[in-house]
Amino acid sequence: DVKVTQSSRYLVKRTGEKVFLECVQDMDHENMFWYRQDPGLGLRLIYFSYDVKMKEKGDIPEGYSVSREKKERFSLILESASTNQTSMYLCATHDSSRGNTIYFGEGSWLTVV
Amino acid sequence: AQTVTQSQPEMSVQEAETVTLSCTYDTSENNYYLFWYKQPPSRQMILVIRQEAYKQQNATENRFSVNFQKAAKSFSLKISDSQLGDTAMYFCAFKGAQKLVFGQGTRLTINP
Repeated sequence: DVKVTQSSRYLVKRTGEKVFLECVQDMDHENMFWYRQDPGLGLRLIYFSYDVKMKEKGDIPEGYSVSREKKERFSLILESASTNQTSMYLCATHDSSRGNTIYFGEGSWLTVV
Repeated sequence: AQTVTQSQPEMSVQEAETVTLSCTYDTSENNYYLFWYKQPPSRQMILVIRQEAYKQQNATENRFSVNFQKAAKSFSLKISDSQLGDTAMYFCAFKGAQKLVFGQGTRLTINP
């Protein structure tokens, strides 16, 4: 079974702190995505990556950066956390070789105070 | 840029009724995939149904079926004989060559 693991489920950080959210997949998927989910706004794409060291901006990249040094790991970085980044962050991977299946992590709840 | 629009923020029906959730999308790509995902209170995303754009036949999974209108860029989900366990947020999603984009979601409540 494919597994997408988000190591931090619940975090509380202070304004201005640097925050790392990690996403690790145990299969060989090229495509990985980071979203934030807010009530009434659905899932909004922050960044995505289709290969190691490759990254593309999504629809709301401001205030975020990403890192993909290894194929299995896609990290979302908040350089200086702000209260408007309080949200649920969801990682997903996509496998085009298996009927275009999408796999999701369990989500990371981030509160910035 | 690809966008996905779900125009119904909330819907509510009685158990055993049929309900249709709407979804429209915008893209210039010709080859893509469309999905409906269900998110119960546990927040885990569950695949409901998937449609390949090159297939004209509408996808069906038990009580769930879609009405895919490629020219109109419409992808609605029909749930027949609705059950209490269908209560959840439903997201429509588009996967093109690169991006995977979701709609705003529809909160569906099935009442006993």
